[in-house]
Amino acid sequence: DIVMTQSPDSLAVSLGERATINCKSSQSVLDNSNNKNYLAWYQQRPGQPPKLLIYWASTRESGVPDRLSGSGSGTDFTLTISSLQAEDVALYYCQQYYSAPRTFGQGTKVEIK
Amino acid sequence: QVQLQESGPGLVKPSETLSLTCTVSGGSISSYYWSWIRQPPGKGLEWIGYIYSSGSTKYNPSLKSRVTISVDTSKNQFSLKLSSVTAADTAVYYCARVRGYFEDVWGKGTTVTVSS
Repeated sequence: DIVMTQSPDSLAVSLGERATINCKSSQSVLDNSNNKNYLAWYQQRPGQPPKLLIYWASTRESGVPDRLSGSGSGTDFTLTISSLQAEDVALYYCQQYYSAPRTFGQGTKVEIK
Repeated sequence: QVQLQESGPGLVKPSETLSLTCTVSGGSISSYYWSWIRQPPGKGLEWIGYIYSSGSTKYNPSLKSRVTISVDTSKNQFSLKLSSVTAADTAVYYCARVRGYFEDVWGKGTTVTVSS
C-alpha cells in the first residue's frame, strides 16, 4: 500500500494569512506516461462528508475558491490556502488514487489563531 | 446534480453482517465507478472498495475476505456487505461516485455501531 503522510497534524493561522499543508507519499504517484500525479485533496467540515477540492494534484474542482491551490509532483505535495477565511476551518486530507487500495493521509486540522 | 444517500441499520451485533445501500439520484449509475469509504469515530478515512456499473469490483486487501459490493442498475443503487463485524468496524460509512479516477460526489454518510 502507498502510505500518505501529512504534516503538520494541525495548524492555527490568523484570518487573512497563508496556510500550508504538506503531503508525502511513500512512493511516486506520478504516471510518466501522461505526466499526471494521481493525488487529490479533500476538505471535511465537522459533521459533513469530505468535499473534493483538488485533483491531479493541482486542478481545482469547479466552485472551489481560487485561494485554495495544490502543487507538487512525484512524492511531495502541498495544499495552500493563500488567505485563510473562517469557512476554511476544517480537516484536510490528501488521497492517492494511483494504485489500489486508495489511501488517505491522516488529516490536517486547520483552525483560526 | 447527482446526489447519493446511504441507508441501512445503524446498529449491528458483533459477528453479524453489516448491510448498507447507496441510492443514486439525479443521474444514472451507469458508466461510473462507485466507492465505499468509512471513517471510524475521530479517525481518518479508509477506502473499502469500488464497483463499476457493469459489476466489476476492487476491494481493499485489508477487508477483502469480508467485503462484498454489488450493484443494481435497475434501482440505481449499489450496496455494501461486511461480514463478521467487530467493534473495530464501527464507523461512519460513506458512498461516493468516482469521476474518472477520484471520488467527486459523496453521500452524507451513515453511522454504523457494532455492539451487542
